[in-house]
Amino acid sequence: NAGVIQTPRHKVTGKGQEATLWCEPISGHSAVFWYRQTIVQGLEFLTYFRNQAPIDDSGMPKERFSAQMPNQSHSTLKIQSTQPQDSAVYLCASSLEVSNERLFFGHGTKLSVL
Amino acid sequence: GEKVEQHESTLSVREGDSAVINCTYTDTASSYFPWYKQEAGKSLHFVIDIRSNVDRKQSQRLIVLLDKKAKRFSLHITATQPEDSAIYFCAATEGADRLTFGKGTQLIIQP
Repeated sequence: NAGVIQTPRHKVTGKGQEATLWCEPISGHSAVFWYRQTIVQGLEFLTYFRNQAPIDDSGMPKERFSAQMPNQSHSTLKIQSTQPQDSAVYLCASSLEVSNERLFFGHGTKLSVL
Repeated sequence: GEKVEQHESTLSVREGDSAVINCTYTDTASSYFPWYKQEAGKSLHFVIDIRSNVDRKQSQRLIVLLDKKAKRFSLHITATQPEDSAIYFCAATEGADRLTFGKGTQLIIQP
């Protein structure tokens, strides 16, 4: 079991460019979460999916962020027109069930917007 | 929404002593309280959790206490070892599903 896999590990973009982050959850896990980690804000919830369906995206900055889960083996987080304040480590996590179950985190994608 | 406060941003203890990290939460409906550990350069991994139907849980050197009246929970690490050095995050459920995390406590184990 390779755990939750996130690619790329590091991504550098110029201001205004698009960034797509990938997550492969643990096989058999039904829930996938996206969090953002910064020194100042800590861990911020972005969105999550249950059985590939989007359930709660209340943490997503609406205008430029979008997430999809086209199949059970991967999810993507897309950031359009990246801004310096988007610089963070984006963490993907999966769990067997959604409610009150331990999360398994990936190593994260460190996004740097210059 | 739920707010989770982690009271100690940094905690330094001598190896072999106990360490206690305290958290408070705001949502009385929260029912699940996990703790995660993040070692330098690594991602978060689960260490222990407690559910609202109990007030104490122990796993080897880790003890979690939950005081629902005070909306407070704490992680006790006994007989600390160098490998316990890390950032510890507490969390609480918001609604049925998503977790809200505290800002983290950097635990330093001094030799």
